[in-house]
This record gives sequence, structure tokens and C-alpha cells, in this order.
Amino acid sequence: KQEVTQIPAALSVPEGENLVLNCSFTDSAIYNLQWFRQDPGKGLTSLLLIQSSQREQTSGRLNASLDKSSGRSTLYIAASQPGDSATYLCAVNDYKLSFGAGTTVTVRA
Amino acid sequence: NAGVTQTPKFRVLKTGQSMTLLCAQDMNHEYMYWYRQDPGMGLRLIHYSVGEGTTAKGEVPDGYNVSRLKKQNFLLGLESAAPSQTSVYFCASGGRYNEQFFGPGTRLTVL
Repeated sequence: KQEVTQIPAALSVPEGENLVLNCSFTDSAIYNLQWFRQDPGKGLTSLLLIQSSQREQTSGRLNASLDKSSGRSTLYIAASQPGDSATYLCAVNDYKLSFGAGTTVTVRA
Repeated sequence: NAGVTQTPKFRVLKTGQSMTLLCAQDMNHEYMYWYRQDPGMGLRLIHYSVGEGTTAKGEVPDGYNVSRLKKQNFLLGLESAAPSQTSVYFCASGGRYNEQFFGPGTRLTVL
């Protein structure tokens, strides 16, 4: 069974600092990996999808890397803003999504 | 283009009552999923469908049934609700490369 771990569970940074969120998974036979954002009481918003053949994917201030051999993905958020405060979830797709528990980010103004 | 919608948004049931949650997507996606999210447990897959007329069990299927009679709709049924089914239920649909898009969720309380 695929196990997905996200470290740290919570993170608090001052505005402008870069964010680094980590995700690790146990089975490297994955189809793709997806990063989501969830605001309190809301649904999940897809941020980035990295296919298994890709090493990284970028969207604006967001960059996600994937190292299948070591079972790791990292989400970088540059120049954080208070609006980036949310829970970030990593999900590994081996034809069904397995989710990590998430990292709750607080960006202080 | 509404994406993924869920009905209802909130519901309170008494133990033993039944209900159906409706998920609809307008993106012509083949794959659809039902998840539940509980504090400390994260998101867990209940049932999923890889196309119209198909369904399959996920990680926590007991106490739930599903149907996918039309490609755009995926229904989740609770035949006899139990307090352990108090949760937030999310529907998702999967498109190209099975990138999943989620609905806003249904908050269900079973008393």
C-alpha cells in the first residue's frame, strides 16, 4: 500500500520568505503526483501535476520537483504572501490517489 | 463551465436514515471519485468509477454504495447512516493524465 508523508505538519513564515514543502512516498511505481491547496472549510484546488516522466513543473511562483527513485517531491513557493496561507496536500497517483496529511502554512504579514 | 458540483452542501441525518449525495461534472471526464475527509485521517477514497456504468471499491467502501448511470454524474448512497459516517465528503473527476479536480464538499452530520 502506498504511504505518503508530508513534513513538516505546520509551518509559519514571515511574508516574503520562500516556502519549501516536502512530500515522500513509499512506492515509486507512480503515474503522476499532484499538489493541492485547501483553504479552511473549502474543497481542494489543484496547483500542479507532475507526470512520472517529468522532473519538475512550474506555475507562476510555484515550482514542484519529483524524484521517483528516492520517492520524494518538493513544492517551492517563492516570495510568500499572506494569501498563501492554507493547507497544502500532496497526492500520489498510482491510478488511485493516495494523500499525505498535509502541511498547514501560515504566512505572517 | 461549473467544473465539479456537489449537492447538498450540508445535511444532518439521524442514525438509520438514508440519503444520496450527487456529484456532477461538466468536463467530460471519464474518471470520478468519492472521498471522505476526517480530522487526523486525511482524505480516503470510498469508491471510484473509470467510466459510465462502472464502479469500484476504494479504501473505505463499507456502508456506502455508488452508481454512475450517466458519464457526468456519480451518486454516493448511504443506506443506513451511522455516526461514524459523519464527515466531509468530496467528489472529484479525473481528466487528462488523470489530473483530479474536486468539488466544494458536502458536510454530513449523523446524530
